[in-house]
Amino acid sequence: QKEVEQNSGPLSVPEGAIASLNCTYSDRGSQSFFWYRQYSGKSPELIMSIYSNGDKEDGRFTAQLNKASQYVSLLIRDSQPSDSATYLCAVNMAAGNQFYFGTGTSLTVIP
Amino acid sequence: NAGVMQNPRHLVRRRGQEARLRCSPMKGHSHVYWYRQLPEEGLKFMVYLQKENIIDESGMPKERFSAEFPKEGPSILRIQQVVRGDSAAYFCASSPRRGNNEQFFGPGTRLTVL
Repeated sequence: QKEVEQNSGPLSVPEGAIASLNCTYSDRGSQSFFWYRQYSGKSPELIMSIYSNGDKEDGRFTAQLNKASQYVSLLIRDSQPSDSATYLCAVNMAAGNQFYFGTGTSLTVIP
Repeated sequence: NAGVMQNPRHLVRRRGQEARLRCSPMKGHSHVYWYRQLPEEGLKFMVYLQKENIIDESGMPKERFSAEFPKEGPSILRIQQVVRGDSAAYFCASSPRRGNNEQFFGPGTRLTVL
């Protein structure tokens, strides 16, 4: 089992819709969770961090964390074509210094 | 620009040569992480450093790869005797402190081994 798993997609949504991206992780003791956006040929850009169970909202983005289910998600409201990118989930495992990244979900927002 | 800086942005080497990748963290950040990303794959952790210390190099190949973060100057990832399989994007990230904190990425160095 991989440390962090994401559906690779591609995920396509129409402009203005809600995009839902999901991520599961293996280490139950993990404490920190992050979502990054990566455009093709560019470096990852931090979107959200979340540390506690529940929802965290920042503009059009909402991160949701459920530690009991070892599940973290990212919702993008009012999706725009500029949101088209690969979204990476990252987890800081409890035991060490490493941040484990999922392979990413490719999102396409259709105008 | 106070962001993470990496150079060179593109590096071409022939098999057997050495590659040196440099990373200057964000101002005020003393923790540096190096990652490798192969096409269609996720980011793979390589090494975590603080000034003058390697904290965790569990993701680093045992041979040919080394990293340092001297008291003065940038962090350097060094790959000796490069092979074609080393071709990848190498990203550096920095954070102000270890553990539960956000990492900010540099633009990366694209290494191509001919």
